[in-house]
Amino acid sequence: GENVEQHPSTLSVQEGDSAVIKCTYSDSASNYFPWYKQELGKRPQLIIDIRSNVGEKKDQRIAVTLNKTAKHFSLHITETQPEDSAVYFCAATLTGGGADGLTFGKGTHLIIQP
Amino acid sequence: GAVVSQHPSRVICKSGTSVKIECRSLDFQATTMFWYRQFPKKSLMLMATSNEGSKATYEQGVEKDKFLINHASLTLSTLTVTSAHPEDSSFYICSARKAGTSVYEQYFGPGTRLTVT
Repeated sequence: GENVEQHPSTLSVQEGDSAVIKCTYSDSASNYFPWYKQELGKRPQLIIDIRSNVGEKKDQRIAVTLNKTAKHFSLHITETQPEDSAVYFCAATLTGGGADGLTFGKGTHLIIQP
Repeated sequence: GAVVSQHPSRVICKSGTSVKIECRSLDFQATTMFWYRQFPKKSLMLMATSNEGSKATYEQGVEKDKFLINHASLTLSTLTVTSAHPEDSSFYICSARKAGTSVYEQYFGPGTRLTVT
């Protein structure tokens, strides 16, 4: 099955700086890679996703890059703000066929220092 | 929007009893729903995939007779923890995917905190 590794487990950055979280996956067939943000006691919220036929996707301050050859993908947050503080999870799956549950990384606790 | 609800949000039960958790998609139809388990300060672990009108697909190591899943309609899936034990205490979260072959996003419910005493 799929295995997703995520680094770092904790990331502390100054407000206004950029944050980068990296993930690797093991199954070369995986084709869908979402990122979720989870605040304490709340549900995971989808913040951005990318499919394997795309190398990069951007949405305002958030971007995701995918390197299929190396089987890794990264989340980039620019101009970080206090409300960006949360736990971020990457995930991977092979879509289609009705059995496309997500395999999650272990999460990154992002701390934005004022 | 894409809103998913879960009920109950918290439940405490005695060891040996069964507990049912409901997952509903409120404003969309979901042919596929997923059940995850999350331990404190840990990641989410996929337990099973629930497809409307068919049997659930369980991940390796998840006992299908202990975690009964029913997906009777396009907006409702239920997870029943049977003969619960303290080690079943956890945070159970469902997600739902909108019907449609080109839609991949999963929307999560708020979770259910189960405590078995």
